[in-house]
This record gives sequence, structure tokens and C-alpha cells, in this order.
Amino acid sequence: EAQVTQNPRYLITVTGKKLTVTCSQNMNHEYMSWYRQDPGLGLRQIYYSMNVEVTDKGDVPEGYKVSRKEKRNFPLILESPSPNQTSLYFCASTGQGSYEQYFGPGTRLTVT
Amino acid sequence: QKEVEQDPGPLSVPEGAIVSLNCTYSNSAFQYFMWYRQYSRKGPELLMYTYSSGNKEDGRFTAQVDKSSKYISLFIRDSQPSDSATYLCAMNSASNSGYALNFGKGTSLLVTP
Repeated sequence: EAQVTQNPRYLITVTGKKLTVTCSQNMNHEYMSWYRQDPGLGLRQIYYSMNVEVTDKGDVPEGYKVSRKEKRNFPLILESPSPNQTSLYFCASTGQGSYEQYFGPGTRLTVT
Repeated sequence: QKEVEQDPGPLSVPEGAIVSLNCTYSNSAFQYFMWYRQYSRKGPELLMYTYSSGNKEDGRFTAQVDKSSKYISLFIRDSQPSDSATYLCAMNSASNSGYALNFGKGTSLLVTP
């Protein structure tokens, strides 16, 4: 089954404790992206990757890091999480030349 | 001004009603227009896709694009409780295909039995 998976689905952590949210897709897609979704603000892109070892900032990159060492994986790293990073996070992927983004199920992060 | 504007609702309608969801945009370069549906606690899923102006129909759903007015619509006929979800419009220019979508904030729809 074609899918984008994210782990963990739910995470409660404390300020300053480094965490990683994993994202994996099995569709051999070149393009992957991370979004955060907040009430009243909608989906905002954090980082995206056009292919392996190629990443770039989206609209709200501050406080986040990403890496793309393998085509299928695109982890999101919060080196020192803060309460304003409490949000619902989505990973998405798109095949080359396609218009459709496939979204993962989301990761709900709470930073206390 | 945000590039894509969408009324967040919530919109509540009785079962069987015709629903109209709308977005406006400011970037005249946008040519690809999409509607995503997001159920509670799920990721968005592509519902409809339209290129340039015109209408596209898929079952009970019709997507309409008016580029001269920079206005897109999604119509749902004979709405069902299972249509209750958040609907997000998305669009981009021809230069970057599906890589960098510009999303509206989403409209929350509730269809009551």
C-alpha cells in the first residue's frame, strides 16, 4: 500500500529536550515536505527536499532541522523544542512532475 | 495580503443540502488548483484537481475555477454526514508543479443528519 508514515503519532515533551519525528514514504517520491498546522493559521511549510541531500527552508523554518540521506526518509529534528512549537505536524511527498501531495497521518506534539 | 484566502467557517448544513466552498487568490500565475479534504485526526487527501479555468465534475463534487476573478469553488451536491471535514484549497503556478502548494486555511464543514 502506497503511504507516508510518521512516528511518533503523539508526543509530549519538555522544553529543551531534543526530539526527532520520523517520516518515511514507500512511493519512491523525489519531493518531501514538512508542514505544521495550527488553528487559525492553516498549513505552513517548514522545510522541503527536492531529492536526496537537497533541502531548503519553507515559510517557518526557525527552530527546526531536517536531513535527507535516503530518498524514502525525511526526519524532522527539533534541537531545543519550545512551547510555541506545540502543533500538529504533517509530512508529505510528491512524485516528480506530479501535482498531488500525499500526506502522512500527522504527529501531535506538545511541548511543556 | 496572504496569497490564498479561505473562509474558515464553520459551515453547518442539513443533509442533502448543496454546499459551496470558496477561495480567492492574488497570484495571477497560479494555474493548478486543488481541493484537499481533511477528516479529524487525519492528514489531508486530494479530492479534486483542476488545471486553469473551467469546471470539473466527479460524482457529487464539482470544482470551478474563474481565473479572471481569481476565485475557485467546490460544490458538493446531496451532502452527506460523511462529508463533514475540513476542506482546504491549494494552488500553484506551472513552474513548480506539486512541489510547493499554497494552501488556504481550510473551511470546516459539518453536515447534520
